[in-house]
Amino acid sequence: GENVEQHPSTLSVQEGDSAVIKCTYSDSASNYFPWYKQELGKRPQLIIDIRSNVGEKKDQRIAVTLNKTAKHFSLHITETQPEDSAVYFCAAPGDDKIIFGKGTRLHILP
Amino acid sequence: DTAVSQTPKYLVTQMGNDKSIKCEQNLGHDTMYWYKQDSKKFLKIMFSYNNKELIINETVPNRFSPKSPDKAHLNLHINSLELGDSAVYFCASSQGDHSNQPQHFGDGTRLSIL
Repeated sequence: GENVEQHPSTLSVQEGDSAVIKCTYSDSASNYFPWYKQELGKRPQLIIDIRSNVGEKKDQRIAVTLNKTAKHFSLHITETQPEDSAVYFCAAPGDDKIIFGKGTRLHILP
Repeated sequence: DTAVSQTPKYLVTQMGNDKSIKCEQNLGHDTMYWYKQDSKKFLKIMFSYNNKELIINETVPNRFSPKSPDKAHLNLHINSLELGDSAVYFCASSQGDHSNQPQHFGDGTRLSIL
């Protein structure tokens, strides 16, 4: 069935370093790939998304890359800051619903 | 001017009770959703409505019944609450369907069953 795998489940990086979170999906018809950030006690919020007609999209310190052949997409955060600490979810559309990855808890170490 | 608002924010109640959570969106979106987020933070879709019509009904106990009086509202009624229902419930909305539009989430309702 449809599936979205997200890795790692937990990631700790030194402040100022880069963080990369990867997701793979199974439905080859998927064409929209959003990333959501959820801070502690708050709601998930869209931070960046990519559609299948492009391979990369950047917005300041965050970027998303998409490899449709391999069916994976990644979130890249550069020059990490304390406020980047949160849980990050990838998502991909399935047949009749959007499927979320299980989340990555990102810790930014001082 | 909250875009997706749900009430209440916290709900503490006894096992066996019946409770409702309300959700309203002022974004003019066609589609609304209910998600359950458990203690491990997994986000699981429960229901989706498009223009008041049910389009997704995941494997959820029939104690959970959504109701959409109009496309700006999607309420969730839960009968005979059980301990396993304790979770954060998020309402969300999107323009069109889920497949190519971002979802806008409410602030969540933290349900605790005693």
